[in-house]
Amino acid sequence: DIQMTQSPSSVSASVGDRVTITCRASQGIKSWLAWYQQKPGKAPKLLIFDASSLQRGVPSRFSGSGSGTDFTLTISSLQPEDFATYYCQQANSFPWTFGQGTKVEIK
Amino acid sequence: EVQLVESGGGLIQPGGSLRLSCAASGITVSSNYMSWVRQAPGKGLEWVSVIYSGGSTYYADSVKGRFTISRDNSKNTLYLQMNSLRVEDTAVYYCAGAGRSFDYWGQGTLVTVSS
Repeated sequence: DIQMTQSPSSVSASVGDRVTITCRASQGIKSWLAWYQQKPGKAPKLLIFDASSLQRGVPSRFSGSGSGTDFTLTISSLQPEDFATYYCQQANSFPWTFGQGTKVEIK
Repeated sequence: EVQLVESGGGLIQPGGSLRLSCAASGITVSSNYMSWVRQAPGKGLEWVSVIYSGGSTYYADSVKGRFTISRDNSKNTLYLQMNSLRVEDTAVYYCAGAGRSFDYWGQGTLVTVSS
C-alpha cells in the first residue's frame, strides 16, 4: 500500500499568513493527488485535483504543486474560513489512501 | 446542483449486517466513479470502496470479503452492503464521486457497531 505522510500534523497561524502543507508518498504516484478541506461535523471538500488543478469555485489563494512523491498545498493568505483540517489523497493505485491530516489552527 | 444523500446507518451488534444507500441527483451514478469513504470518530479519512462506470469494483483490505459495493442505475443509487461488522467499522460513512478525486460528497451516515 502507498503511505501518505503529511507534515506538519498541526500548524498555528494568523489571518494573512502564508501556510504550506506537505504530503509525501511512499512511492511515486505521478500527479494522482488531491487535497481536501474538512471542517468539524462537515463532509470534506475538494480543493485541488491532479496535484495542481484548482477545483471550480475554490478561491485562488489555494494552490497545489508537486509530482512523483512530494507535494505541497499552499494557502497564500490565510482567511478566517480556512481554519480546518486538510487531507491529501492518492489515487495512483489501490488501495487509495489519505494522509493523516493537518489541522490549521488560529494563532 | 449535485446532491448525494446517504441513509441506512445505525446501531448494530458485532457480526451483524447493514446496507447503506446513497441517493444521487444532479449526477449519474452509472457514468461516474462512485466511492464510499469512512471516518472513525475523531480520526482521519479512510477510502473503503469504489465502483467504476464500467462496473469494476475495488475495496480496502480492511473490508474486502465483508463489504460489497453496488448500484441501481434505474434508481440512480449507490449501495454498500456491510456484513460481519466489527467494532472497528464504527464510523461516519460518506458517499463520494465522481472520479479518482472526490468532487462531490454526501453528508454522511453514522454506523455504530457495539454490543
